[in-house]
Amino acid sequence: GENVEQHPSTLSVQEGDSAVIKCTYSDSASNYFPWYKQELGKRPQLIIDIRSNVGEKKDQRIAVTLNKTAKHFSLHITETQPEDSAVYFCAASIMGRDDKIIFGKGTRLHILP
Amino acid sequence: KAGVTQTPRYLIKTRGQQVTLSCSPISGHRSVSWYQQTPGQGLQFLFEYFSETQRNKGNFPGRFSGRQFSNSRSEMNVSTLELGDSALYLCASSLGGAQDEKLFFGSGTQLSVL
Repeated sequence: GENVEQHPSTLSVQEGDSAVIKCTYSDSASNYFPWYKQELGKRPQLIIDIRSNVGEKKDQRIAVTLNKTAKHFSLHITETQPEDSAVYFCAASIMGRDDKIIFGKGTRLHILP
Repeated sequence: KAGVTQTPRYLIKTRGQQVTLSCSPISGHRSVSWYQQTPGQGLQFLFEYFSETQRNKGNFPGRFSGRQFSNSRSEMNVSTLELGDSALYLCASSLGGAQDEKLFFGSGTQLSVL
């Protein structure tokens, strides 16, 4: 079955710098890759997602890149701000197939003042 | 539009007991999926219900079960509780399948097993 590995587990960056979180997946059939952000004590919320027919997607300071050949995808946050401090989860699934979505174990991002 | 509602917010149980958690999805959403969240283990998929049918199941023992009602509300049951079942249990709803699109999560039920 699908396996998703996420690195690093913890990341500290200076405010204003960029942060990159990487995930690899095992099932080459996976074609949907969402990213969720969970602030302390709150529910996870989708921040961006990408489907396998594109290699990159941007939304303001957030971008996700996908390398299907290498089976990995990454979340990029530029010009980090204190409100970016949270746990980020990547996930992979196969759209349209009766199969489960698999999440990575999460990355705790600390934005340092 | 009301979000995903989970009840209760907190639960304290002892080993061997059973527990039932409830999840009310966003109106119109037909899929409800459940996840166990523990420190360091991320979000582990428990199962998904779609139109009252279990669609997928994760790698959890049979003590974990669920169901979905005709109004899409879902319940999760854990029998013979063990200490290791202590976790935050999250449910999420979506219009289509959990593997197809954005999930809307509830606030979770924090279960402590003593």
